[in-house]
Amino acid sequence: EVQLVESGGGLVQPGGSLRLSCVDSGFTFSRYWMHWVRQAPGKGLVWVTRINNDGSSTSYADSVKGRFTISRDNAKNTLYLQMNSLRAEDTAVYYCTRGATTMVRGVYHNWFDPWGQGTLVTVSS
Amino acid sequence: DIQMTQSPSSLSASVGDRVTITCRASQSISNYLNWYQQKPGKAPKVLIYGATSLQSGVPSRFSGSGSGTDFTLTISSLQPEDFATYYCQQSYSTPITFGQGTRLEIK
Repeated sequence: EVQLVESGGGLVQPGGSLRLSCVDSGFTFSRYWMHWVRQAPGKGLVWVTRINNDGSSTSYADSVKGRFTISRDNAKNTLYLQMNSLRAEDTAVYYCTRGATTMVRGVYHNWFDPWGQGTLVTVSS
Repeated sequence: DIQMTQSPSSLSASVGDRVTITCRASQSISNYLNWYQQKPGKAPKVLIYGATSLQSGVPSRFSGSGSGTDFTLTISSLQPEDFATYYCQQSYSTPITFGQGTRLEIK
């Protein structure tokens, strides 16, 4: 069973930095695109960023572009999120999740599965 | 960006009820629509992908329909473990976007 385990969350002051990690206990980490999704307290899900399977391509939500960097180390089965210039509005539970893919009636579909348990990032002075 | 709008935002129902949640996209997304269930303090779990395909292990009382801009998630007979928050999500284009969620509560 694939398991994703995040770590690295905590309390940080506005303007500070934090690096999140997500370890994939499965054996096929390098085959999959990976994503970070966040959820502010009591709010909905918001996609943050994604990286392709070999790390050569990334994409970001406008709200984090230029401040956050996603990366991966396939040899260590680990996904990272480097968060700089943190703001109060970045306070959230951050989930790593795998981009699952399958073909349905000749068309590829993508969804998020599995998800990690989440790690809480709190930006406050 | 594609906006996803769910309705209702919250819903009260009883065990055994048939429940329908609607999701509307701000532009056509074909059938690139997924549904998730989230329980308090837990990560989301996929129920439906590709608008209509049931994820392995998900009970058959869950079903999805729709194409283009309008989609529905139906639970045919509510069970106690179904009380949760449900989210739709489009995978048609980046940025990937979610609906705001529908909280399903016990009446």
